[in-house]
Amino acid sequence: DTEVTQTPKHLVMGMTNKKSLKCEQHMGHRAMYWYKQKAKKPPELMFVYSYEKLSINESVPSRFSPECPNSSLLNLHLHALQPEDSALYLCASSPRPRSDTQYFGPGTRLTVL
Amino acid sequence: AQSVAQPEDQVNVAEGNPLTVKCTYSVSGNPYLFWYVQYPNRGLQFLLKYITGDNLVKGSYGFEAEFNKSQTSFHLKKPSALVSDSALYFCAVRDDHRGDKIIFGKGTRLHILP
Repeated sequence: DTEVTQTPKHLVMGMTNKKSLKCEQHMGHRAMYWYKQKAKKPPELMFVYSYEKLSINESVPSRFSPECPNSSLLNLHLHALQPEDSALYLCASSPRPRSDTQYFGPGTRLTVL
Repeated sequence: AQSVAQPEDQVNVAEGNPLTVKCTYSVSGNPYLFWYVQYPNRGLQFLLKYITGDNLVKGSYGFEAEFNKSQTSFHLKKPSALVSDSALYFCAVRDDHRGDKIIFGKGTRLHILP
């Protein structure tokens, strides 16, 4: 398996909902990433997990809560989001922390009403 | 601080013609440079990278990039464009101080005209 998968592909949620995004890879990669991408903009790094431990948090609001239950799985828990949080959320992985190449999943398109 | 600049928001090229998407970089140490492509409503796909070695780097789908240290450039090229190459292209650099962080340029939209 040589890809990063993300579910769901699309998510619509209200500001009071709690939802989760899921990312999975079976390439044995030990670093995983969450990015947020607004329309026609480059991806912005949110979180990095290295060997299942949170290593970078780019000052992301606490309404976004990441979790890395094991080396293959990365979740992003969402609670009390705002409409401006609507975006494409991308997951990526790389063989090792500080590895040179990141491999991206197809993303989850999130709409907050 | 590391950064990359993509001076063109959009590039239009006729099918079959050579294409160039420009990127310049600014780094404090050794540059680790990348090109990624994004098709509509999709994630990013890795095209190629420069770490060290030959200045001409060959990547996926017939793309190549030329690293030029004196001009601090890393332009993406392809000898003959296809309509299917139409997409959003991002140049990126690895943050020297936080190696897990990749810094992306703003992106260049490439239109290949049939």
